[in-house]
Amino acid sequence: DAKTTQPTSMDCAEGRAANLPCNHSTISGNEYVYWYRQIHSQGPQYIIHGLKNNETNEMASLIITEDRKSSTLILPHATLRDTAVYYCIVGDGNKLVFGAGTILRVKS
Amino acid sequence: NAGVTQTPKFRILKIGQSMTLQCAQDMNHNYMYWYRQDPGMGLKLIYYSVGAGITDKGEVPNGYNVSRSTTEDFPLRLELAAPSQTSVYFCASSLYGTGGRNEQFFGPGTRLTVL
Repeated sequence: DAKTTQPTSMDCAEGRAANLPCNHSTISGNEYVYWYRQIHSQGPQYIIHGLKNNETNEMASLIITEDRKSSTLILPHATLRDTAVYYCIVGDGNKLVFGAGTILRVKS
Repeated sequence: NAGVTQTPKFRILKIGQSMTLQCAQDMNHNYMYWYRQDPGMGLKLIYYSVGAGITDKGEVPNGYNVSRSTTEDFPLRLELAAPSQTSVYFCASSLYGTGGRNEQFFGPGTRLTVL
């Protein structure tokens, strides 16, 4: 599975959009981009995934560059409850490989 | 639906003891997974199963065993506990395996300490 690179931490003001970047320059053609998050010590929670096209659901939007070497997760209106570790994962989905992720702190 | 449930929530073991971590799901998912998470780190896959009677190793299987006799249950066995197995263990399940439609649902975790 391709490796990903994410910033260690980010801050975001409550009510503003949070944009979390992820680099995955070695992604192969059949690999998806998945985003999960982990709030405090809970089990990870699925957010969104995509292959080539941009995706949107009730939680977030996923923007994938045309060359698929990077992506951005967008939380449109961050709340304090969005404070968590966000994991960008690239693979076919069966065996997820979690890196250290990005710690997102939403501040009031 | 209860989703994915795990028992116990916490456990302290002595070196050399054995125990089984229980995991159950009520979503009729075929795929089930066991991960461990060490402090400050991401999750690492221990074992996974693609259906009843079928299991396979993940990234860090040494020191663990699994079985999958039913669709609902996927217990993880530690035979000879070692301090290196101190970790938080998460069980997960998904309807599909490979490909895009395979969102994994995670349980609340079991926090294990080996002294």
